[in-house]
Amino acid sequence: KQEVTQIPAALSVPEGENLVLNCSFTDSAIYNLQWFRQDPGKGLTSLLLIQSSQREQTSGRLNASLDKSSGRSTLYIAASQPGDSATYLCAVKGNQGGKLIFGQGTELSVKP
Amino acid sequence: EAGVTQFPSHSVIEKGQTVTLRCDPISGHDNLYWYRRVMGKEIKFLLHFVKESKQDESGMPNNRFLAERTGGTYSTLKVQPAELEDSGVYFCASSQERGVREKLFFGSGTQLSVL
Repeated sequence: KQEVTQIPAALSVPEGENLVLNCSFTDSAIYNLQWFRQDPGKGLTSLLLIQSSQREQTSGRLNASLDKSSGRSTLYIAASQPGDSATYLCAVKGNQGGKLIFGQGTELSVKP
Repeated sequence: EAGVTQFPSHSVIEKGQTVTLRCDPISGHDNLYWYRRVMGKEIKFLLHFVKESKQDESGMPNNRFLAERTGGTYSTLKVQPAELEDSGVYFCASSQERGVREKLFFGSGTQLSVL
């Protein structure tokens, strides 16, 4: 049974810092892995999607890596801004069916 | 282009009552998913429609939950009778393409409180 864990549960950093969010999963047989952002009272917004055959994806100040063999993914945020404050969720899609398995998320706060 | 919309945004009901949640996916998206997040837990899958057919309903908690997608457009999720443990945020998501490149678009969710 696939399980996804995100560490830390919460993170507070000063503006301008580079930071890394971690995601680990127990079953390396995945189709893809997605990182989402959720703002309070809002839905989830997909940030980056890494296919199982890929090692990383980049979008602006965001870079996500995937190491299937070790069951890990990281989301790197460069030069953090207060607008980056949100909950970041990692989710994997397994080989069976179309459902996503989510981690509990990391609540990020970037202080001005 | 409109995103995934959900109604209502909030619902407060008493234990034993019935509630129906609605989801309008992005036009043209055949795949529609329901997910739920209860307090303190991770977001969990409930079920998946492809057009009007239930593709996977393995995440539905019990037979008090009934999901429909008549005509393959909008979907409803009915909880009858509601119990305290049904409280949480119910998310709907839709996608156009399945497989390794599938990208889900989520609605803002319905916050359900059962008192």
